Amino acid sequence: GAVVSQHPSWVICKSGTSVKIECRSLDFQATTMFWYRQFPKQSLMLMATSNEGSKATYEQGVEKDKFLINHASLTLSTLTVTSAHPEDSSFYICSARYRPYEQYFGPGTRLTVT
Amino acid sequence: QKEVEQNSGPLSVPEGAIASLNCTYSDRGSQSFFWYRQYSGKSPELIMSIYSNGDKEDGRFTAQLNKASQYVSLLIRDSQPSDSATYLCAVNRVTGGGNKLTFGTGTQLKVEL
Repeated sequence: GAVVSQHPSWVICKSGTSVKIECRSLDFQATTMFWYRQFPKQSLMLMATSNEGSKATYEQGVEKDKFLINHASLTLSTLTVTSAHPEDSSFYICSARYRPYEQYFGPGTRLTVT
Repeated sequence: QKEVEQNSGPLSVPEGAIASLNCTYSDRGSQSFFWYRQYSGKSPELIMSIYSNGDKEDGRFTAQLNKASQYVSLLIRDSQPSDSATYLCAVNRVTGGGNKLTFGTGTQLKVEL
């Protein structure tokens, strides 16, 4: 149980374009999902908390107009990186809350902006 | 002071030995603690959760929690080369925005043949 999928696993896009990343809980319903970003040799940084049916809560310093989050169902949250630039290149990982406090992670999406 | 602190390592242990990974946290009100394993280039995998003071064992893994000392540890018995990874300590915090995990920077473990 507690399987989370992410799609795509990797994506290359040109500067100025937008990219959408999907996060799905496959065998449970997740009212809360999280989006993290991880740069090489650094720890996970929480970007935002996504709650089904309501607006996402962004961490300080994260541009909500650049990183659009939609949690339209109990099994799907999406992250759209708008007008991507090379500095947005990173490893984006979602997680879903399974039990009161446990989080299970998706496999991650490696984004490269050229 | 960082919210969750870990020694970055690398921690090198011989195959079959016990690996001991440590973590301290600053928020005394934290109630839930987790250990994740992250292989290079992969996402974190939950391996242990602990909520009460004392020890919790699961196979070769034992998590230890001491809330008075604000200290969490992970012991890996009979270490195998496949245990070589970065181990992330995570602490659940209740904030105005809800429950969130705060991660340490991770300890790199190398199990040598």
